[in-house]
Amino acid sequence: AQRVTQPEKLLSVFKGAPVELKCNYSYSGSPELFWYVQYSRQRLQLLLRHISRESIKGFTADLNKGETSFHLKKPFAQEEDSAMYYCALSKGGANNLFFGTGTRLTVIP
Amino acid sequence: GAVVSQHPSWVICKSGTSVKIECRSLDFQATTMFWYRQFPKQSLMLMATSNEGSKATYEQGVEKDKFLINHASLTLSTLTVTSAHPEDSSFYICSADPGGYNEQFFGPGTRLTVL
Repeated sequence: AQRVTQPEKLLSVFKGAPVELKCNYSYSGSPELFWYVQYSRQRLQLLLRHISRESIKGFTADLNKGETSFHLKKPFAQEEDSAMYYCALSKGGANNLFFGTGTRLTVIP
Repeated sequence: GAVVSQHPSWVICKSGTSVKIECRSLDFQATTMFWYRQFPKQSLMLMATSNEGSKATYEQGVEKDKFLINHASLTLSTLTVTSAHPEDSSFYICSADPGGYNEQFFGPGTRLTVL
């Protein structure tokens, strides 16, 4: 069975500081990994996906198959980054998502 | 583009009644829609995958007779919570996949409170 783990429920960083939101997964096949973000009073939206290998809003995430991790990073946090972040996994070839428990990021001015 | 709506946004009902929640893709066709449930301060839990014109695929532990899903068209899926009980109170979120890019677009959610 698949599992997505986000060990930190809450994370606070100062504006301009680097931020890393951790995500580990377990799945026996080849998963596709995603980061979704939910800003205050808004719906969940896709932030980035590992197959795109792109940077969105300054965030990047690298899939590390050896460590089964997909940590989300940003070198300089901004106040507008404060939100709830969910790591999610879909099984290779399938499109249903399995979410981690989420990390609430607060960027302190 | 890629907007998904849900109706109603919130509903309060008496125990034992049934509640229908609609999920619509407004500007695209979705062959696949998904239903999630989110308890307070917890993650989204996938309940079922709904494919247009076929029976929904339910995740383990989700009662298909309790949570009836109908995906009658490429832009509409409905979730009916039958004989609702207080423990069914939750936030129900749908998403839609336009196909081709394995990306889901989420609705704003429906808050169900069963008295």
